[in-house]
Amino acid sequence: GNSVTQMEGPVTLSEEAFLTINCTYTATGYPSLFWYVQYPGEGLQLLLKATKADDKGSNKGFEATYRKETTSFHLEKGSVQVSDSAVYFCALWMDSSYKLIFGSGTRLLVRP
Amino acid sequence: DVKVTQSSRYLVKRTGEKVFLECVQDMDHENMFWYRQDPGLGLRLIYFSYDVKMKEKGDIPEGYSVSREKKERFSLILESASTNQTSMYLCASSPTGTGARGYEQYFGPGTRLTVT
Repeated sequence: GNSVTQMEGPVTLSEEAFLTINCTYTATGYPSLFWYVQYPGEGLQLLLKATKADDKGSNKGFEATYRKETTSFHLEKGSVQVSDSAVYFCALWMDSSYKLIFGSGTRLLVRP
Repeated sequence: DVKVTQSSRYLVKRTGEKVFLECVQDMDHENMFWYRQDPGLGLRLIYFSYDVKMKEKGDIPEGYSVSREKKERFSLILESASTNQTSMYLCASSPTGTGARGYEQYFGPGTRLTVT
């Protein structure tokens, strides 16, 4: 079946460090891929998306590229801020099932 | 500003009680979803609804039911709460229509339910 695997956290970084959170997926067909973010005490919100292979999604300084050959969608940011501390979820969507499938989430803690 | 609200942030119930979790959205969205969020497991879909009075089972519907009598409101019901239903419950909504995609879901802040 379809699934998403992401790196376990927590990931702890100093402010202005480079961030990578790994995400790989398994899917039959051609999914759309997403990163959602959950700030403390809030619901999830869509951070970025890519709907086909080689697309790059970007938002708020975060980027992720849809790599079909490695079935990956790694999240990156060049310089993190304390305000980026949150839980990040990788997810895939198949039109055929009309469901979002989420990874287990990765907690990011950025220290001043 | 778009909004999904959930009736309680924290709830404590006893085993065997009937529990109602309410969700309201003000965006006129057709689709609504209930998830549970557990550490190490991410979000798992319990039920979803794509129209008033319509419902579809998600991946883990056992022990739950839902009700959608009005477009803006989607209720999750635990018929007889058990300790393994202690979890964070998240409601979401999304639009349907030209250019809209079900994957762009808007989430409420969640209800942390403890069953003792």
